[in-house]
Amino acid sequence: EVQLVESGGGLVQPGRSLRLSCAASGFSFGDYAMHWVRQVPGKGLEWVSGINWKSDTIDYAASVKGRFTISRDNENNSLYLQMDSLRPEDTALYYCAKGDDSSGYFYTGLDSWGPGTLVTVST
Amino acid sequence: EIVLTQSPGTLSLSPGETATLSCRASRTVRSFYLAWYQHKPGQAPRLLIYGGSSRAAGVPDTFSGSGSGTDFTLTISRLEPEDFAVYYCQHYDHTSPTFGQGTKLEIK
Repeated sequence: EVQLVESGGGLVQPGRSLRLSCAASGFSFGDYAMHWVRQVPGKGLEWVSGINWKSDTIDYAASVKGRFTISRDNENNSLYLQMDSLRPEDTALYYCAKGDDSSGYFYTGLDSWGPGTLVTVST
Repeated sequence: EIVLTQSPGTLSLSPGETATLSCRASRTVRSFYLAWYQHKPGQAPRLLIYGGSSRAAGVPDTFSGSGSGTDFTLTISRLEPEDFAVYYCQHYDHTSPTFGQGTKLEIK
């Protein structure tokens, strides 16, 4: 069974940094693209960032480009999101999600999601 | 960036009826790169449809996706109580993926 578990969320002041982690199990992690998607409370889903299986295709939403960095460790089945220069508008529930193509291709649907980790940016 | 606009914002129907949800793209999206998700409060989103019309594993055949170009549709026939949720379309057609703003399907 595919399991994705996010961690690292919490309360942080504007301008500070936070690093999110996603621990994956139940599938061959290194074969799949992975993504981060967020949801501001009461709002819709927003794609944040994605990375293909070998980390040579990486992309970010315009709202986070230059501030967030996605990375992965295939040996340890882990996905990361380094979030710098955080803003109040980054407050959201952050989901880790798995691509649905075992070729590791970037441009796919997202067939498994974690429960999310809440990030609150506030003074 | 491709903007996806979903309509209606809220759809009120009764169990047993058929729901028709629309997703319009700001420019052409190849149907192979269009997905639909179901999202219930307190749960993770669930992939329903990928590739425009292919059902994900375990999704009942009451859910169907169609469309091409800039207009896509999710149809849910014979609504069950557990189908009432928020639905999102998403494109991933070789530019930064984006989601629509969602359609809330509520019980009338």
